[in-house]
Amino acid sequence: QKEVEQNSGPLSVPEGAIASLNCTYSDRGSQSFFWYRQYSGKSPELIMSIYSNGDKEDGRFTAQLNKASQYVSLLIRDSQPSDSATYLCAVGKTSYDKVIFGPGTSLSVIP
Amino acid sequence: DTAVSQTPKYLVTQMGNDKSIKCEQNLGHDTMYWYKQDSKKFLKIMFSYNNKELIINETVPNRFSPKSPDKAHLNLHINSLELGDSAVYFCASTANPSGLYDYGYTFGSGTRLTVV
Repeated sequence: QKEVEQNSGPLSVPEGAIASLNCTYSDRGSQSFFWYRQYSGKSPELIMSIYSNGDKEDGRFTAQLNKASQYVSLLIRDSQPSDSATYLCAVGKTSYDKVIFGPGTSLSVIP
Repeated sequence: DTAVSQTPKYLVTQMGNDKSIKCEQNLGHDTMYWYKQDSKKFLKIMFSYNNKELIINETVPNRFSPKSPDKAHLNLHINSLELGDSAVYFCASTANPSGLYDYGYTFGSGTRLTVV
């Protein structure tokens, strides 16, 4: 079983819709959860972090964490063509442990 | 001012050569990393340094040797380059967290290495 799994996509949504990105992880000791956005040919950029069960909202983005189900998701409301990118889920344990990245989900927002 | 800068941005070299990639961060972070992103876009950690001390050394061929002269710099030297080394190499840094939680990484712009 891979440590961090994501649907590879591509996920296509119409402009203005809600995009839902999912991620599961295998290590129950994981404590830090991140979503990064990576545009083609660019470096990953941190967009959300979440540490506690429940929802965390930042603008159009909402991260959801369920440690019991080992599941973390990212919702993007009012999707824009500029949201078209690969979204990487990343999971970490302690401060000095490595953060494991998932394979990424490619999102395409259709105008 | 670029927070995490890598040089060079592109590197094309022949098999068997030795090359180095340099990384510098001006964020005052204590921890720096090298990640490799292959053609399938999978990001895999290679090394991590905290305040010049090696703390993560993944299963990487010993042709790869990191070096951190100070906490703001982390370089990667690669000996005897092979075709399979072709990838994008990202440097990243993070603040030294006071507790269990990490604050996320700031990535450099990447070095696209092509071995021919």
